[in-house]
Amino acid sequence: SQQGEEDPQALSIQEGENATMNCSYKTSINNLQWYRQNSGRGLVHLILIRSNEREKHSGRLRVTLDTSKKSSSLLITASRAADTASYFCATDALNDMRFGAGTRLTVKP
Amino acid sequence: DGGITQSPKYLFRKEGQNVTLSCEQNLNHDAMYWYRQDPGQGLRLIYYSQIVNDFQKGDIAEGYSVSREKKESFPLTVTSAQKNPTAFYLCASSITPRETQYFGPGTRLLVL
Repeated sequence: SQQGEEDPQALSIQEGENATMNCSYKTSINNLQWYRQNSGRGLVHLILIRSNEREKHSGRLRVTLDTSKKSSSLLITASRAADTASYFCATDALNDMRFGAGTRLTVKP
Repeated sequence: DGGITQSPKYLFRKEGQNVTLSCEQNLNHDAMYWYRQDPGQGLRLIYYSQIVNDFQKGDIAEGYSVSREKKESFPLTVTSAQKNPTAFYLCASSITPRETQYFGPGTRLLVL
């Protein structure tokens, strides 16, 4: 069963704007991860944030985690057309990770 | 180059036929996973393996089988019992369960 749920399902913005995607989950976690998938390709890992962390940065990416609300957000700043992809959050279950349905981001040039 | 490979890129299955999807990694990872992705959907876990000679069913294991005889290899067989096999299949590996997963490029399975 899917643990995380992304919101919105789809997001369309202009190049240069910021994009924010959210992930909600149901049970306690040890870590939460964000992945990116270009159409027809495998997933690429972006960031892992552990349950005792509140915020992490990687280049133009900023991830926050609020364990009290069981939610996380991924912010992409100064978006580029090349950021167009699907973005998935994944939360750890007993012995594996569970992925949400993803947010489809389109960045228009 | 270190990485995870899947073959073939496209696979066609006839009715009643079993087909096997290959997944190989040279990352020295203990854990490996198989996911199914349907159009516009997220990933659903089919099987996972934490260590050689051990594997566990995921959420949608019916109609699929796996083996883990070598650390580097985790092949997935789609059996004739899987009535709706058309999907994109992704293999992944990680150092340990629940850590960062590294994905292969995927195999697209189509039914003739």
